[in-house]
Amino acid sequence: AQSVSQHNHHVILSEAASLELGCNYSYGGTVNLFWYVQYPGQHLQLLLKYFSGDPLVKGIKGFEAEFIKSKFSFNLRKPSVQWSDTAEYFCAVSHYGGSQGNLIFGKGTKLSVKP
Amino acid sequence: DGGITQSPKYLFRKEGQNVTLSCEQNLNHDAMYWYRQDPGQGLRLIYYSQIVNDFQKGDIAEGYSVSREKKESFPLTVTSAQKNPTAFYLCASSKMTGMESPLHFGNGTRLTVT
Repeated sequence: AQSVSQHNHHVILSEAASLELGCNYSYGGTVNLFWYVQYPGQHLQLLLKYFSGDPLVKGIKGFEAEFIKSKFSFNLRKPSVQWSDTAEYFCAVSHYGGSQGNLIFGKGTKLSVKP
Repeated sequence: DGGITQSPKYLFRKEGQNVTLSCEQNLNHDAMYWYRQDPGQGLRLIYYSQIVNDFQKGDIAEGYSVSREKKESFPLTVTSAQKNPTAFYLCASSKMTGMESPLHFGNGTRLTVT
């Protein structure tokens, strides 16, 4: 069965620090990859997605993620975090051609940014 | 302003009672979903529906039931058969079930069963 691993449960950073949140998945075939974000008091929303093409994907608010097929990874990065990036981040994966009903979420990583 | 409305925000029930969580969307989306979120567990799919009068079980459907009589509405019933019903429940919708259509989430309902 597919699974998604997010290595860090809680990450605490100071403003302007660089961010990298790990995400690994277990599926040998072609995949679609997503990062969702949940800001405090708000609903989950899509941050960025990868279907095919350039493995470096840019999303909203300066976030980017790199798909490394050989490592089964889709890590989320941001060069300089802001206090407003404090949120919970979820990685999700589905096999290529699958439906939203096949989407598998990771357990989430809480990011706390100190002003 | 289009979106997904889940009500109520907090719900309390006694053990042994069935309880129904409401989810309404005005996005004209075909597909709707119910997820359960537990601390440290991420989101797990309970049920989803691609079209009116049709729905499929997700990974943890036992103890839950749904209906999809209208495109806009996808209520979830947590039955007394659900062994650990206390959780945060999220409803979502998407224009289509394909991956090109991102999920739109509601604000959730926190259910506490004592």
